[in-house]
Amino acid sequence: DSGVTQTPKHLITATGQRVTLRCSPRSGDLSVYWYQQSLDQGLQFLIQYYNGEERAKGNILERFSAQQFPDLHSELNLSSLELGDSALYFCASSVGGGAETQYFGPGTRLLVL
Amino acid sequence: GENVEQHPSTLSVQEGDSAVIKCTYSDSASNYFPWYKQELGKRPQLIIDIRSNVGEKKDQRIAVTLNKTAKHFSLHITETQPEDSAVYFCAAQKGGGNKLTFGTGTQLKVEL
Repeated sequence: DSGVTQTPKHLITATGQRVTLRCSPRSGDLSVYWYQQSLDQGLQFLIQYYNGEERAKGNILERFSAQQFPDLHSELNLSSLELGDSALYFCASSVGGGAETQYFGPGTRLLVL
Repeated sequence: GENVEQHPSTLSVQEGDSAVIKCTYSDSASNYFPWYKQELGKRPQLIIDIRSNVGEKKDQRIAVTLNKTAKHFSLHITETQPEDSAVYFCAAQKGGGNKLTFGTGTQLKVEL
């Protein structure tokens, strides 16, 4: 158990819908990262928040957005869902914002039908 | 941006043999190189990491080596066991930019 929690574990929804994925970092960690893992794209970095502020952005679609709240939990919002958005979405956390160990949560498996 | 290449994509070894997985990175500013093990449907778990000021690091049966000049790093697993079977990912990270860039993964199968 890494100490990072994610909900829900599984999500099944239809194309065009909107979903919200939630992540709680390890106690004391200020940074939260979101990654997408699909069969053909591997592990892709989406976005990072550090202490409530966006710190880095990867190949995140405009239909996707995220935020980090004052209690440091984070939410990833996925809208206008397409079949290709089906993937495992992982959240990771680290103590600070530099080059340091990232601990991954158990992931949310999203299936878009 | 950073690009990480990982080889081989699949690796099959006999129990007790050694396994070696190699990665190369493109950005010389990268200074942190973790390795993650991922079992099917589960989260990536950090197994070992190395920073650019160190050439080698060992933890029991696992070791990682880094060659900054050639921009490549390798994972070595000795005395492999069936529970070592999983997908292994290498990654690279710069100090200022905080995302991990992952390799494409190596499916390791340890056969009895």
